[in-house]
Amino acid sequence: GNSVTQMEGPVTLSEEAFLTINCTYTATGYPSLFWYVQYPGEGLQLLLKATKADDKGSNKGFEATYRKETTSFHLEKGSVQVSDSAVYFCALISNSGYALNFGKGTSLLVTP
Amino acid sequence: DAGVIQSPRHEVTEMGQEVTLRCKPISGHNSLFWYRQTMMRGLELLIYFNNNVPIDDSGMPEDRFSAKMPNASFSTLKIQPSEPRDSAVYFCASSFEGNTIYFGEGSWLTVV
Repeated sequence: GNSVTQMEGPVTLSEEAFLTINCTYTATGYPSLFWYVQYPGEGLQLLLKATKADDKGSNKGFEATYRKETTSFHLEKGSVQVSDSAVYFCALISNSGYALNFGKGTSLLVTP
Repeated sequence: DAGVIQSPRHEVTEMGQEVTLRCKPISGHNSLFWYRQTMMRGLELLIYFNNNVPIDDSGMPEDRFSAKMPNASFSTLKIQPSEPRDSAVYFCASSFEGNTIYFGEGSWLTVV
Protein backbone atom coordinates (compact mmCIF):
# COMPACT_ATOMS: atom_id res chain seq x y z
CA GLY A 1 0.00 0.00 0.00
CA ASN A 2 0.89 3.66 0.00
CA SER A 3 2.76 5.13 2.93
CA VAL A 4 4.78 8.15 3.98
CA THR A 5 7.64 8.15 6.47
CA GLN A 6 8.88 11.34 8.10
CA MET A 7 11.75 11.97 10.43
CA GLU A 8 10.81 11.91 14.09
CA GLY A 9 10.56 15.19 15.90
CA PRO A 10 10.61 17.43 17.69
CA VAL A 11 13.17 19.44 15.79
CA THR A 12 14.52 22.47 17.63
CA LEU A 13 16.46 25.12 15.75
CA SER A 14 17.71 28.61 16.38
CA GLU A 15 16.36 31.44 14.27
CA GLU A 16 18.09 31.73 10.88
CA ALA A 17 19.28 28.10 10.96
CA PHE A 18 18.91 25.81 7.95
CA LEU A 19 16.01 23.38 8.06
CA THR A 20 15.68 19.93 6.54
CA ILE A 21 12.79 17.60 7.31
CA ASN A 22 13.15 14.24 5.63
CA CYS A 23 10.26 12.50 3.93
CA THR A 24 10.25 9.25 1.98
CA TYR A 25 7.31 7.47 0.45
CA THR A 26 6.13 4.12 -0.82
CA ALA A 27 3.65 4.09 -3.67
CA THR A 28 3.04 2.47 -6.99
CA GLY A 29 3.30 4.62 -10.05
CA TYR A 30 3.77 8.35 -9.79
CA PRO A 31 2.00 9.90 -6.82
CA SER A 32 1.55 13.60 -6.20
CA LEU A 33 3.47 14.80 -3.16
CA PHE A 34 2.57 17.50 -0.65
CA TRP A 35 3.75 19.30 2.44
CA TYR A 36 1.07 20.62 4.79
CA VAL A 37 1.71 22.79 7.85
CA GLN A 38 -0.33 22.95 11.04
CA TYR A 39 0.18 25.93 13.33
CA PRO A 40 -0.81 25.52 16.98
CA GLY A 41 -4.56 25.26 17.41
CA GLU A 42 -5.24 25.53 13.69
CA GLY A 43 -6.11 23.32 10.76
CA LEU A 44 -3.82 22.07 8.02
CA GLN A 45 -2.65 24.43 5.31
CA LEU A 46 -1.07 23.39 2.06
CA LEU A 47 2.54 24.58 2.04
CA LEU A 48 3.72 23.24 -1.31
CA LYS A 49 3.28 20.38 -3.74
CA ALA A 50 4.86 18.59 -6.68
CA THR A 51 3.06 16.37 -9.13
CA LYS A 52 5.82 14.74 -11.15
CA ALA A 53 9.42 13.62 -10.84
CA ASP A 54 12.04 16.38 -10.57
CA ASP A 55 9.38 19.02 -9.93
CA LYS A 56 10.26 21.50 -7.19
CA GLY A 57 7.52 22.92 -5.04
CA SER A 58 8.20 26.17 -3.23
CA ASN A 59 6.36 28.62 -1.00
CA LYS A 60 7.27 31.09 1.76
CA GLY A 61 10.97 30.22 1.44
CA PHE A 62 10.32 26.49 1.78
CA GLU A 63 11.29 24.09 -1.01
CA ALA A 64 10.98 20.39 -1.73
CA THR A 65 12.02 18.41 -4.82
CA TYR A 66 10.24 15.27 -6.01
CA ARG A 67 12.97 12.63 -6.27
CA LYS A 68 11.69 9.48 -7.92
CA GLU A 69 14.99 7.63 -7.72
CA THR A 70 15.16 7.97 -3.94
CA THR A 71 11.38 8.15 -3.39
CA SER A 72 11.90 11.29 -1.34
CA PHE A 73 10.40 14.75 -0.93
CA HIS A 74 12.54 16.45 1.72
CA LEU A 75 11.45 19.87 2.97
CA GLU A 76 14.10 22.59 3.22
CA LYS A 77 14.34 26.22 4.22
CA GLY A 78 17.49 28.27 4.23
CA SER A 79 16.74 30.47 7.24
CA VAL A 80 13.93 29.64 9.63
CA GLN A 81 11.99 32.13 11.69
CA VAL A 82 10.23 31.82 15.02
CA SER A 83 6.94 32.06 13.14
CA ASP A 84 7.78 28.80 11.31
CA SER A 85 7.23 26.86 14.53
CA ALA A 86 4.54 24.34 13.63
CA VAL A 87 3.95 20.71 12.76
CA TYR A 88 4.83 19.74 9.19
CA PHE A 89 3.15 16.84 7.41
CA CYS A 90 4.36 15.11 4.29
CA ALA A 91 1.59 13.48 2.26
CA LEU A 92 0.87 11.79 -1.03
CA ILE A 93 -2.04 11.03 -3.31
CA SER A 94 -1.44 8.02 -5.51
CA ASN A 95 -2.03 8.37 -9.21
CA SER A 96 -5.10 6.15 -8.91
CA GLY A 97 -6.26 7.59 -5.59
CA TYR A 98 -8.23 10.49 -4.27
CA ALA A 99 -7.30 11.04 -0.64
CA LEU A 100 -4.16 12.18 1.11
CA ASN A 101 -2.00 9.63 2.91
CA PHE A 102 -0.14 11.49 5.64
CA GLY A 103 3.08 10.93 7.48
CA LYS A 104 3.08 11.19 11.28
CA GLY A 105 4.15 14.82 11.25
CA THR A 106 7.31 16.54 12.43
CA SER A 107 7.12 19.20 15.09
CA LEU A 108 9.44 22.18 14.56
CA LEU A 109 10.31 24.67 17.28
CA VAL A 110 12.35 27.72 16.33
CA THR A 111 13.86 29.67 19.19
CA PRO A 112 15.00 33.32 19.08
CA ASP B 1 -13.42 33.44 -0.28
CA ALA B 2 -14.66 31.36 2.63
CA GLY B 3 -12.73 28.20 3.26
CA VAL B 4 -14.05 24.96 4.65
CA ILE B 5 -16.20 25.79 7.65
CA GLN B 6 -16.57 23.41 10.55
CA SER B 7 -18.64 23.55 13.70
CA PRO B 8 -18.37 23.32 16.58
CA ARG B 9 -14.72 24.28 16.98
CA HIS B 10 -14.57 22.76 20.41
CA GLU B 11 -16.87 20.31 22.14
CA VAL B 12 -16.69 18.62 25.50
CA THR B 13 -19.28 15.94 26.07
CA GLU B 14 -19.95 13.09 28.44
CA MET B 15 -19.50 9.48 27.50
CA GLY B 16 -22.64 8.04 25.98
CA GLN B 17 -23.85 11.30 24.51
CA GLU B 18 -24.44 11.85 20.82
CA VAL B 19 -22.01 14.15 19.03
CA THR B 20 -22.69 15.80 15.68
CA LEU B 21 -19.94 17.58 13.80
CA ARG B 22 -20.81 19.78 10.85
CA CYS B 23 -19.01 20.85 7.72
CA LYS B 24 -19.62 23.28 4.90
CA PRO B 25 -17.19 22.62 2.03
CA ILE B 26 -15.86 25.29 -0.28
CA SER B 27 -18.51 26.29 -2.80
CA GLY B 28 -18.10 24.38 -6.07
CA HIS B 29 -16.02 21.58 -4.60
CA ASN B 30 -17.34 18.10 -5.34
CA SER B 31 -15.15 15.99 -3.07
CA LEU B 32 -15.41 15.98 0.71
CA PHE B 33 -13.28 14.17 3.26
CA TRP B 34 -13.51 13.59 7.00
CA TYR B 35 -10.19 12.96 8.77
CA ARG B 36 -9.42 12.24 12.40
CA GLN B 37 -6.20 13.33 14.10
CA THR B 38 -4.86 11.71 17.27
CA MET B 39 -1.43 11.61 18.83
CA MET B 40 -1.26 7.85 18.56
CA ARG B 41 -2.50 7.34 15.00
CA GLY B 42 -1.85 10.67 13.32
CA LEU B 43 -4.21 11.71 10.52
CA GLU B 44 -6.61 9.03 9.36
CA LEU B 45 -9.16 9.22 6.57
CA LEU B 46 -12.59 8.32 7.90
CA ILE B 47 -14.79 8.77 4.85
CA TYR B 48 -14.71 10.24 1.35
CA PHE B 49 -17.69 11.63 -0.56
CA ASN B 50 -17.74 12.46 -4.24
CA ASN B 51 -20.71 14.38 -5.64
CA ASN B 52 -22.48 13.80 -2.30
CA VAL B 53 -22.13 10.01 -2.55
CA PRO B 54 -20.01 8.07 -0.02
CA ILE B 55 -17.27 6.39 -2.03
CA ASP B 56 -14.96 5.07 0.66
CA ASP B 57 -16.01 4.62 4.28
CA SER B 58 -13.46 1.95 5.11
CA GLY B 59 -11.86 4.24 7.66
CA MET B 60 -14.97 4.66 9.78
CA PRO B 61 -13.97 2.99 13.04
CA GLU B 62 -17.22 1.24 13.92
CA ASP B 63 -20.97 1.42 13.77
CA ARG B 64 -21.04 4.22 16.31
CA PHE B 65 -19.78 6.51 13.58
CA SER B 66 -21.92 7.68 10.69
CA ALA B 67 -21.58 10.41 8.08
CA LYS B 68 -24.01 12.02 5.70
CA MET B 69 -23.89 14.51 2.90
CA PRO B 70 -27.46 15.50 2.05
CA ASN B 71 -26.37 18.17 -0.42
CA ALA B 72 -23.29 19.71 -1.97
CA SER B 73 -22.88 22.32 0.75
CA PHE B 74 -23.29 20.35 3.96
CA SER B 75 -22.01 17.22 5.67
CA THR B 76 -22.27 15.77 9.15
CA LEU B 77 -20.24 13.28 11.12
CA LYS B 78 -22.13 11.70 14.00
CA ILE B 79 -20.87 9.63 16.90
CA GLN B 80 -23.49 7.80 18.94
CA PRO B 81 -22.80 6.85 21.65
CA SER B 82 -19.53 8.67 22.19
CA GLU B 83 -16.64 7.14 24.14
CA PRO B 84 -13.50 8.69 25.67
CA ARG B 85 -11.34 7.05 22.97
CA ASP B 86 -13.18 9.16 20.39
CA SER B 87 -11.45 12.26 21.75
CA ALA B 88 -9.57 13.72 18.80
CA VAL B 89 -9.52 16.54 16.30
CA TYR B 90 -11.89 15.91 13.41
CA PHE B 91 -11.09 17.67 10.16
CA CYS B 92 -13.31 18.19 7.18
CA ALA B 93 -11.66 18.88 3.83
CA SER B 94 -12.83 19.50 0.29
CA SER B 95 -11.48 19.65 -3.24
CA PHE B 96 -12.59 19.97 -6.83
CA GLU B 97 -11.90 17.25 -9.37
CA GLY B 98 -8.79 15.90 -7.66
CA ASN B 99 -7.11 19.25 -7.24
CA THR B 100 -5.71 20.70 -4.03
CA ILE B 101 -7.44 19.50 -0.86
CA TYR B 102 -8.34 22.30 1.57
CA PHE B 103 -8.89 21.68 5.25
CA GLY B 104 -11.14 23.30 7.78
CA GLU B 105 -9.96 24.49 11.18
CA GLY B 106 -11.07 21.24 12.81
CA SER B 107 -13.49 20.26 15.54
CA TRP B 108 -11.67 19.52 18.80
CA LEU B 109 -13.68 16.82 20.60
CA THR B 110 -13.19 15.74 24.18
CA VAL B 111 -15.31 12.93 25.59
CA VAL B 112 -15.16 12.62 29.37
